[in-house]
Amino acid sequence: GENVEQHPSTLSVQEGDSAVIKCTYSDSASNYFPWYKQELGKRPQLIIDIRSNVGEKKDQRIAVTLNKTAKHFSLHITETQPEDSAVYFCAARGNTGGFKTIFGAGTRLFVKA
Amino acid sequence: DVKVTQSSRYLVKRTGEKVFLECVQDMDHENMFWYRQDPGLGLRLIYFSYDVKMKEKGDIPEGYSVSREKKERFSLILESASTNQTSMYLCASRDPGQGVEQYFGPGTRLTVT
Repeated sequence: GENVEQHPSTLSVQEGDSAVIKCTYSDSASNYFPWYKQELGKRPQLIIDIRSNVGEKKDQRIAVTLNKTAKHFSLHITETQPEDSAVYFCAARGNTGGFKTIFGAGTRLFVKA
Repeated sequence: DVKVTQSSRYLVKRTGEKVFLECVQDMDHENMFWYRQDPGLGLRLIYFSYDVKMKEKGDIPEGYSVSREKKERFSLILESASTNQTSMYLCASRDPGQGVEQYFGPGTRLTVT
């Protein structure tokens, strides 16, 4: 079945450094790739997304890149701040399986002040 | 602002009990979802519902059932709770006419003893 792999599972960076989280997906029909941020004890919230007809999207300090050929996409956070500390989930949604969105296992990001 | 609520934040039940988890959304969304979240496994889809009285199995439906009698409410039922169903349960909703973003509830942490 469809699968999304996410790496690393844990990432620790110094405040001000960049953080990169990578995901690969198996379903070549996937056409929508959201990223969710879940702070401790809170619900996941969408922070950025990208569609398959776009290679890169940026929103202030966060950016997402998509390589359809290789079936992988990445989240880039620049100038990290302590409030970026959270669990980040990538996901992929395709045209098969109805409305199913497949999530990665999550990356716990620690930003050290 | 979309609001998705879940009936309990924390729940403790005994093995064999029948458990009801309720989810309500106030934005007239057609699609609703139930996920469970476990460390290292991300969010896994249990069941989803396209619309009232419609339901589809997700990736891990065993031991669960659902009910969607009204558009705003999606219930997850554990017919006979077991210890391996101890987890965080997240509900989400989505309006397919407005995009693909899912809005999550705050989660219910269920412990089965």
